[in-house]
Amino acid sequence: DTAVSQTPKYLVTQMGNDKSIKCEQNLGHDTMYWYKQDSKKFLKIMFSYNNKELIINETVPNRFSPKSPDKAHLNLHINSLELGDSAVYFCASSPGLAGRTSSTDTQYFGPGTRLTVL
Amino acid sequence: QKEVEQNSGPLSVPEGAIASLNCTYSDRGSQSFFWYRQYSGKSPELIMSIYSNGDKEDGRFTAQLNKASQYVSLLIRDSQPSDSATYLCAVNTKGGNNRKLIWGLGTSLAVNP
Repeated sequence: DTAVSQTPKYLVTQMGNDKSIKCEQNLGHDTMYWYKQDSKKFLKIMFSYNNKELIINETVPNRFSPKSPDKAHLNLHINSLELGDSAVYFCASSPGLAGRTSSTDTQYFGPGTRLTVL
Repeated sequence: QKEVEQNSGPLSVPEGAIASLNCTYSDRGSQSFFWYRQYSGKSPELIMSIYSNGDKEDGRFTAQLNKASQYVSLLIRDSQPSDSATYLCAVNTKGGNNRKLIWGLGTSLAVNP
């Protein structure tokens, strides 16, 4: 199936641990994103990559480090996890950057990774 | 600070009625506007995109855009209980390679049988 996939779906870990979330899209898109959705359901962008190049890096603690080995994959590594990192993390992709055609910035989301830090 | 505002609801409508969801945005240069639906525990799912002033219809859904008033809405005709979800409005900011979607907090819709 063509889709945006993420692993793992659930992640429960202790404070201070390091964990990674993986994302893959087989839609042939050039742009990928990481979002954090907190308990208040606010969806906030963290990072965006276009063809493996970091183009958006919001005010995110440097404990969060994205890596894009190729344009179909975008991983998120989190060091020294804190209680406040508990949230749902969504990966998304879009055909390209906005502005080239009217549909290039339409984003498609993965199923999410629910991270719980104890 | 560029913002997107929505009434958090809950908006409650009877089955078969028209549900009207509204969204205002602050960036006058925005060019792309999206409505996503999010069921509890699921990921956001694209419902409609709109780029030009006026109405755009897709089945039971109609998106309306008024750039002069910085207003975008979503109408759901013949509402069904399966439409009960949170509806997120997203607006793309203007400017260079770091364009991004700014998201509203979402409106919770409950369609009562």
